[in-house]
Amino acid sequence: QSALTQPASVSGSPGQSITISCTGASTDVGGYDFVSWYRLDPGKAPILVIYDVSQRPSGISQRFSGSKSGNTASLTISGLQPDDEADYFCSSFATGSFLVFGGGTKLTVL
Amino acid sequence: EVLLVQSGVEVKKPGESLTISCQGSGYRFSTYWIGWVRQMPGKDLEYLGLIFPADSDTRYSASFQGQVTMSADKAINTAYLQWNSLKASDSAMYFCARLAGPGKNYFDFWGQGSLVTVSS
Repeated sequence: QSALTQPASVSGSPGQSITISCTGASTDVGGYDFVSWYRLDPGKAPILVIYDVSQRPSGISQRFSGSKSGNTASLTISGLQPDDEADYFCSSFATGSFLVFGGGTKLTVL
Repeated sequence: EVLLVQSGVEVKKPGESLTISCQGSGYRFSTYWIGWVRQMPGKDLEYLGLIFPADSDTRYSASFQGQVTMSADKAINTAYLQWNSLKASDSAMYFCARLAGPGKNYFDFWGQGSLVTVSS
């Protein structure tokens, strides 16, 4: 049972927008603006795509954006591209645990 | 270019010991915390803990305290994750990652992962 809840899968067609949710509690997502998102591809090093809820690292496309409302954070990818297909994980600072992760969401680009 | 390069695939038997490594380059290795993250089969990520290579200060997740040992050799820019007696439930992909900086709560660079399989 992951500390943060994500949908197991989301899908969208090229050009569309998708949003992945990440639901936690007041002791993690809701209590701090320290949510980050990572992209995982099999056999590759994970990539940071969003940090501190909505900040994009250099080199990450503006199509990636993050937000938070209450205990739920969201990652939105606009203008979906086939290359966006991957697993995406959220993470949050958490009281007493330092970091907790979500269960991951498989993004399929149809 | 910041790189974290991990040791490769390991296949071990229950009860055996194991050390996997993570070598950093392209930055001042000793001054950034290195974290370890586990991905069990089926996807979930779990945070194991952090080590500061400059002085080997370690912070373990409560769930992994006593289960693994983190260490580092700053002279060769390498962090290690060690098991004294492996269990089948330790089978997973293990990632090392660089904590982005003082006061930060995210990993900005990751290794490619070390796959550990424990089976009799």
